[in-house]
Amino acid sequence: AQTVTQSQPEMSVQEAETVTLSCTYDTSESDYYLFWYKQPPSRQMILVIRQEAYKQQNATENRFSVNFQKAAKSFSLKISDSQLGDAAMYFCAYQHGSSNTGKLIFGQGTTLQVKP
Amino acid sequence: DVKVTQSSRYLVKRTGEKVFLECVQDMDHENMFWYRQDPGLGLRLIYFSYDVKMKEKGDIPEGYSVSREKKERFSLILESASTNQTSMYLCASIRLAGGWEQYFGPGTRLTVT
Repeated sequence: AQTVTQSQPEMSVQEAETVTLSCTYDTSESDYYLFWYKQPPSRQMILVIRQEAYKQQNATENRFSVNFQKAAKSFSLKISDSQLGDAAMYFCAYQHGSSNTGKLIFGQGTTLQVKP
Repeated sequence: DVKVTQSSRYLVKRTGEKVFLECVQDMDHENMFWYRQDPGLGLRLIYFSYDVKMKEKGDIPEGYSVSREKKERFSLILESASTNQTSMYLCASIRLAGGWEQYFGPGTRLTVT
């Protein structure tokens, strides 16, 4: 069975600095997708970034980028120029590529604090 | 914009009560999900549905049931609420599987006393 592990329950970063959130996963599949979701306090969960396993290029979305190491089964999220609005809980998630359900397997979450 | 709504943001129920949590999506998505979110455990899948009247158990279905009579609506039912079901419940929907984004509702924080 696939598992996703986020080993950092809490992280903090100074505004305008860069922070990296870690995620590792375990799977025997070669076709899958990885996601980072953001859950701001009292607000809805939203997608931050997505990575297809078959793509070697790391995904980027503005200030958010990933470091996808397929052999090491590592999928970290880098937030550059951190802003107060980045404070949230971040979840790493795995989705089997040939799934016909779209089910996600989530990590435990990392709470990010941004200090002004 | 995809919109997923849940019937209540906060709910307080007594032990033994039957509880209904409702979720509605407005984008004609085929698949819908109910998750439970607990500190340190992330989100765990309770049930999902891939079509009207079709459902499958997730990882933690015990104590829960679901109903999907219409494509846009997916209900989670706690037949006899217990204190260990106090949690945040999140609903989500997705148009297609395989790399597509799940859209989440705002969550219902349920307290069972």
